[in-house]
Amino acid sequence: DAGVIQSPRHEVTEMGQEVTLRCKPISGHNSLFWYRQTMMRGLELLIYFNNNVPIDDSGMPEDRFSAKMPNASFSTLKIQPSEPRDSAVYFCASREGEGTYEQYFGPGTRLTVT
Amino acid sequence: DAKTTQPTSMDCAEGRAANLPCNHSTISGNEYVYWYRQIHSQGPQYIIHGLKNNETNEMASLIITEDRKSSTLILPHATLRDTAVYYCIVRVVSFGNEKLTFGTGTRLTIIP
Repeated sequence: DAGVIQSPRHEVTEMGQEVTLRCKPISGHNSLFWYRQTMMRGLELLIYFNNNVPIDDSGMPEDRFSAKMPNASFSTLKIQPSEPRDSAVYFCASREGEGTYEQYFGPGTRLTVT
Repeated sequence: DAKTTQPTSMDCAEGRAANLPCNHSTISGNEYVYWYRQIHSQGPQYIIHGLKNNETNEMASLIITEDRKSSTLILPHATLRDTAVYYCIVRVVSFGNEKLTFGTGTRLTIIP
């Protein structure tokens, strides 16, 4: 299995631009998570989906952030417009489903907003 | 979720057992203990979890005290590749309540 796939691995953009991060979970996994990691705040959950439905988006910073999961094999996290304080590493993780415990993380996307 | 307390950093000699402690004195009866680690520039990696009994897998062993107020993750023969930040997380497991809260963890350095 290829594991969780994220793209791009690195993104550099200017303030005000739209940024779209992509994630392909492990095939057969029913839950998908988006995390953000910064030096100041550590690793924090932004949103997660069960069976493609958003369950908890309380970690989404503000309306500039949105996440979608149109099908079981693809999710996006969009920031519009981006700001320098959005600079971070964004991780996607997936979990097999009810009754299982471990989340499998992707390699992350390092976002730099100048 | 119960609060956890871990040492900020630890060193361990290569080839020796690394013992990473975690205090979770307010743990409730239905909360599990999870361990994840994050190697530099990579995503976190699941290691092991347990409820009451000690657990062992190919990566590590988890020892939970009888009162469940603390636990120890043991890497039996540490290698340089085990250098990472190790997170102890305590939470209830239920579908629809999937949130993992990562604290600051323990930065483990394996010394050659």
